[in-house]
Amino acid sequence: GAGVSQSPSNKVTEKGKDVELRCDPISGHTALYWYRQSLGQGLEFLIYFQGNSAPDKSGLPSDRFSAERTGGSVSTLTIQRTQQEDSAVYLCASSLVRGGLNTGELFFGEGSRLTVL
Amino acid sequence: GENVEQHPSTLSVQEGDSAVIKCTYSDSASNYFPWYKQELGKRPQLIIDIRSNVGEKKDQRIAVTLNKTAKHFSLHITETQPEDSAVYFCAAPFDYGQNFVFGPGTRLSVLP
Repeated sequence: GAGVSQSPSNKVTEKGKDVELRCDPISGHTALYWYRQSLGQGLEFLIYFQGNSAPDKSGLPSDRFSAERTGGSVSTLTIQRTQQEDSAVYLCASSLVRGGLNTGELFFGEGSRLTVL
Repeated sequence: GENVEQHPSTLSVQEGDSAVIKCTYSDSASNYFPWYKQELGKRPQLIIDIRSNVGEKKDQRIAVTLNKTAKHFSLHITETQPEDSAVYFCAAPFDYGQNFVFGPGTRLSVLP
């Protein structure tokens, strides 16, 4: 596609429910990132995928959070048993890697705004 | 790992004045330093970046300077306009350039 696509754009859920957020990166971008941004705050790194390498999960805040990337393209971030503190905008980004080197620019999606009641 | 600090956290300037935002990083191996702009309710977008083989880069009213010895880099916006009002994030790479850590952001307000 022309850009990074995320869905849903808005999700309201009840505390304790599971949610899935989807990211479709730019075609050909092998690096994919998930960030969380709480209202008025910065970008909190969650997880990073690069090609067939094991993902860097060091930013996941708890074992309720998980992510997968199927076929090296689309990624799904899953939050189990949601809590009110999970309310935030979840941003996905992708970038181009050439010869094993990240070319630098991250292209962000519009984000998925999650509200946990 | 990499640690990125950013100052100031908020900045208000009069239209037409200059704005400077500074970031410091900890990993001396870092070699690429981007700046992102995030307008209210929008996605972050790259506005300028610099690689470690140069000390300064300009693009119209914006410029970035890099001091590798002191491990800091700065964003300079001249002749500020109301549309420059946004949150600006710096970033630095880690994990051999495969991942990025972002600064906490600077909220810039350009007053008419």
